[in-house]
Amino acid sequence: AQTVTQSQPEMSVQEAETVTLSCTYDTSESDYYLFWYKQPPSRQMILVIRQEAYKQQNATENRFSVNFQKAAKSFSLKISDSQLGDAAMYFCAYVRQGGSEKLVFGKGTKLTVNP
Amino acid sequence: NAGVTQTPKFRVLKTGQSMTLLCAQDMNHEYMYWYRQDPGMGLRLIHYSVGEGTTAKGEVPDGYNVSRLKKQNFLLGLESAAPSQTSVYFCASSKAGTILAYEQYFGPGTRLTVT
Repeated sequence: AQTVTQSQPEMSVQEAETVTLSCTYDTSESDYYLFWYKQPPSRQMILVIRQEAYKQQNATENRFSVNFQKAAKSFSLKISDSQLGDAAMYFCAYVRQGGSEKLVFGKGTKLTVNP
Repeated sequence: NAGVTQTPKFRVLKTGQSMTLLCAQDMNHEYMYWYRQDPGMGLRLIHYSVGEGTTAKGEVPDGYNVSRLKKQNFLLGLESAAPSQTSVYFCASSKAGTILAYEQYFGPGTRLTVT
């Protein structure tokens, strides 16, 4: 079974600085997708960024970028120029292509942004 | 466009009582999912549906039943609530047939407490 591991239960960063959240996953599949979701105190799950496993280029969305290392099965999220609104739980998720689109989530990292 | 909505937002049940959580989406999505979120556990899939009239078990299906009588609605039932079912429940949906099937849209969640 696929598993997703987020080894940092909590992280903190100073406003305007850069922080990297770690995620590793275990799979024997070659075709899959990886996601980072943000969950602010409102509880709403918000998709931050998506990476297709067949793409070598790392995905970026404004201040958010990933470092995807397929051989190492690593998928970290970098947040640049951190803002107070970035404070949230961040979940890494995996889905196997052709697997009924069932997401497997990590346990999450709580990010605190200090002013 | 309301997206994914969940009813109710909060509920307190006594052990042994039953209830139904309603999820509705107005995006004409084929796939729908029910997750539960517990502290330190991330989100875990309870049941899912790939189309009207079809349902399947996820990772933690015991104690729950689901129905998908209409494409836009996905109901989650608890026949005899137990304190272990105290959790936050999320519904999600995604569109089949394209890469978008791997991007799930989440509802705002339902906080259920079983005493």
